[in-house]
Amino acid sequence: DGGITQSPKYLFRKEGQNVTLSCEQNLNHDAMYWYRQDPGQGLRLIYYSQIVNDFQKGDIAEGYSVSREKKESFPLTVTSAQKNPTAFYLCASSLQGGPNEKLFFGSGTQLSVL
Amino acid sequence: GNSVTQMEGPVTLSEEAFLTINCTYTATGYPSLFWYVQYPGEGLQLLLKATKADDKGSNKGFEATYRKETTSFHLEKGSVQVSDSAVYFCASRRTGNQFYFGTGTSLTVIP
Repeated sequence: DGGITQSPKYLFRKEGQNVTLSCEQNLNHDAMYWYRQDPGQGLRLIYYSQIVNDFQKGDIAEGYSVSREKKESFPLTVTSAQKNPTAFYLCASSLQGGPNEKLFFGSGTQLSVL
Repeated sequence: GNSVTQMEGPVTLSEEAFLTINCTYTATGYPSLFWYVQYPGEGLQLLLKATKADDKGSNKGFEATYRKETTSFHLEKGSVQVSDSAVYFCASRRTGNQFYFGTGTSLTVIP
């Protein structure tokens, strides 16, 4: 079955540590996204990529980094510069172009600070 | 700028009650509009969408009509079930293949 796989489901970060969240899709989608979800704040866009080897900052990119070396993979690194990393992180993908685009989401990663 | 504003929750209803969750948007032009649903511990799933004014999206008994004159896309269901308990997000598609999301409305349906 096609879909988006995020791993791990739960992740713990120590002070000063970088951690990487995995996102893989087999939908052959060009565009991929990372969102952060905090209680009462909805979803905020961290980074997005419309094509391999290219990505753009979203609304809250500080303290995060991404890469897009393969079409199916879009890992997110939460660096030590992100001072408040505890949140639920959602990866999504979509086809490019057309008014009927919609997002397909993974099941999320809950990141907590030890 | 473009944005989406939706009704704050939480909302608690009895089974078979009528549901309305309000959503309004601000945008230049006429963006595509969406309702997504999130069940506990999961990602978001598309519930329904509308791509132009007066379109009605519908799925699983839920409906929403794209109202240009009131810039609204309210979600409705005539008779909710316990299994409808989830968080509902209104969203609009902005340019550059990005999406604006509302803050989410938590719905709990009690038997």
